[in-house]
Amino acid sequence: QSALTQPASVSGSPGQSITISCTGTSSDVGGYNYVSWYQQHPGKAPKLMIYDVSNRPSGVSNRFSGSKSGNTASLTISGLQAEDEADYYCSSYTSSSTLVFGTGTKVTVL
Amino acid sequence: EVQLVESGGGLVQPGGSLRLSCAASGFTFSSYWMSWVRQAPGKGLEWVANIKQDGSEKYYVDSVKGRFTISRDNAKNSLYLQMNSLRAEDTAVYYCARNPRGANMDVWGKGTTVTVSS
Repeated sequence: QSALTQPASVSGSPGQSITISCTGTSSDVGGYNYVSWYQQHPGKAPKLMIYDVSNRPSGVSNRFSGSKSGNTASLTISGLQAEDEADYYCSSYTSSSTLVFGTGTKVTVL
Repeated sequence: EVQLVESGGGLVQPGGSLRLSCAASGFTFSSYWMSWVRQAPGKGLEWVANIKQDGSEKYYVDSVKGRFTISRDNAKNSLYLQMNSLRAEDTAVYYCARNPRGANMDVWGKGTTVTVSS
C-alpha cells in the first residue's frame, strides 16, 4: 500500500496550463479506471475534482481535466487562476480492494 | 443539503481508545459505501478504511488493521470508527467521506481532530 507518486510542487502563471502526474503500478492506477483527483485549500476538507480518470462532477470547472496512460494518471488545469492555488491529491482503487492516495502536489500560481 | 458531520475527536494517551462518529444527512445513507480518511499535521491524505452499504465488507489500510474497526448504523444514518491501541502516529484530522464507487469520494465532512499524546 505505497502512496502514489506525485511531484511535490508545480507552478504556473495565470492563464497558463499545468499538468500534475500521478504514478502508481499495474495493481492500482494501471489496473483500473478508478482514479480520482482532489483539491484541498489550507484548513479545508478535500474537494472532488475528477473521478473515474476523466469525469468532472457537476459544478467543477471545465478547466480541469484528467487522463491516464499506463500506470500514470494526469490532471491538467488550463487557464490557471489564482483560486487554483491549493494542494492536489490523486487517489486510486487497488487490487486489494483498498484505496490509496498520492503524495500530494502543491500548486502555486505565480 | 447533503452533509457529513464528524464528532468524537480529542486528546487521548498512547494506548488509549477513541470512537469517532459521522452523522449523514440529505441523502440515502444506506445506498453508499463510506470511507474514513485522515491527514496528519502538515502531511498528505491517507485513506484509512471503508465499509459496504450493508456492512458486509470492510477494508483497512495496513497500519490500522487489528486496531481500528469501521462500522455503520443505517437506521441512525451514522458511520463509526473505533480506534484502539492508539499511537502518536495516529494523530490527525479524521474525515468521513461518501464513497459511491472506486476511488470516488464525492462528499466530505469538515473533519474531527484526534491527538495522541501523553
